[in-house]
Amino acid sequence: GQQLNQSPQSMFIQEGEDVSMNCTSSSIFNTWLWYKQDPGEGPVLLIALYKAGELTSNGRLTAQFGITRKDSFLNISASIPSDVGIYFCAGQEIKAAGNKLTFGGGTRVLVKP
Amino acid sequence: EAQVTQNPRYLITVTGKKLTVTCSQNMNHEYMSWYRQDPGLGLRQIYYSMNVEVTDKGDVPEGYKVSRKEKRNFPLILESPSPNQTSLYFCASRDAYNEQFFGPGTRLTVL
Repeated sequence: GQQLNQSPQSMFIQEGEDVSMNCTSSSIFNTWLWYKQDPGEGPVLLIALYKAGELTSNGRLTAQFGITRKDSFLNISASIPSDVGIYFCAGQEIKAAGNKLTFGGGTRVLVKP
Repeated sequence: EAQVTQNPRYLITVTGKKLTVTCSQNMNHEYMSWYRQDPGLGLRQIYYSMNVEVTDKGDVPEGYKVSRKEKRNFPLILESPSPNQTSLYFCASRDAYNEQFFGPGTRLTVL
């Protein structure tokens, strides 16, 4: 099946820093989604991207749908402690049996000690 | 409050003992899914359902069954659990705008 490579796998942030993560795929997706998962909870949608080249912001978050439709990145500006968590990218394909989501392996964001 | 609920939240069981994890949503969504989450692998889809009585395999369906007799409920059944099914499981339902709402997760340990 489809595979999404998400990097980095983990990263340490210091309050105020900008952080960036990205996903690449071997195949094309119709939609890219970015989720955040807090400990003990299910993922929550942060940003959805529907068009190649689209750049979308949600507060301090900015995400882009790559021109080739095979990649996406997420930036967090001026990070704060509550940005800690696991971020997942997901690509969505439109299939006859319904839209299918494929998730990346996740980026674990931690606070620098 | 619009939500997806799962029960139980935590379960420790032994190999071969049949179990069911329930999932219910109160948003009248037609599309529901089950995922398992394992470290470094993200979320992988087990089964999904487009509507009542319509289910199909996801990427990792082996060892699992589902049913969709009512729109709001989508239970996940492990007829004979094995240790490699130890994982964190999420149920999700999707709205008309394709936003998926995830349940809180069920952490399953099979000894």
